[in-house]
Amino acid sequence: QQQVKQSPQSLIVQKGGIPIINCAYENTAFDYFPWYQQFPGKGPALLIAIRPDVSEKKEGRFTISFNKSAKQFSLHIMDSQPGDSATYFCAAKHDSNYQLIWGAGTKLIIKP
Amino acid sequence: GAGVSQSPSNKVTEKGKDVELRCDPISGHTALYWYRQSLGQGLEFLIYFQGNSAPDKSGLPSDRFSAERTGGSVSTLTIQRTQQEDSAVYLCASSRLREYNEQFFGPGTRLTVL
Repeated sequence: QQQVKQSPQSLIVQKGGIPIINCAYENTAFDYFPWYQQFPGKGPALLIAIRPDVSEKKEGRFTISFNKSAKQFSLHIMDSQPGDSATYFCAAKHDSNYQLIWGAGTKLIIKP
Repeated sequence: GAGVSQSPSNKVTEKGKDVELRCDPISGHTALYWYRQSLGQGLEFLIYFQGNSAPDKSGLPSDRFSAERTGGSVSTLTIQRTQQEDSAVYLCASSRLREYNEQFFGPGTRLTVL
């Protein structure tokens, strides 16, 4: 119940394509869903986040879609660029504490 | 406006030796986390400090691992009698305990146990 399941494990997309990374959860007490981006040799950094009362959030080329009834959320990257190549982690926060439950990560490669 | 810093950036040690990894969180951040990331893998939670509360040690993989946070600031993760399977990148993060708890990560310490 505390898990966040992330897929796919890896993804290769041509430049300009729209990679989609999916996450699913079971615990309805999660109240915050961030995505983190990690470049090689660096720590993860917050990319975009959403609360469950919103179905979609856009920040630049990055969009989170949130389906509360299905308990799923996904990250879409519009007009993807080689510089977007990184590992992406979804996460969820329980409403009773501040810790994040992390997905396993998706290694994204954008080919020029 | 310094971020989270970690030292050393790389540590090579021999099996059986003890190592200490250091984390300097962002000033004013009351929460501090340690994670382990094996090559190409996800984030494995190790331990969480929040203010003056007792730490959440539920992620520590064995009693060879311990951590302390002095004065609510700097933290040290100690691994005793290192094993080859301890080889990984150890990441530290800190956050203000605001509603949505953005975690700010350091660059990590890459530990190699020979």
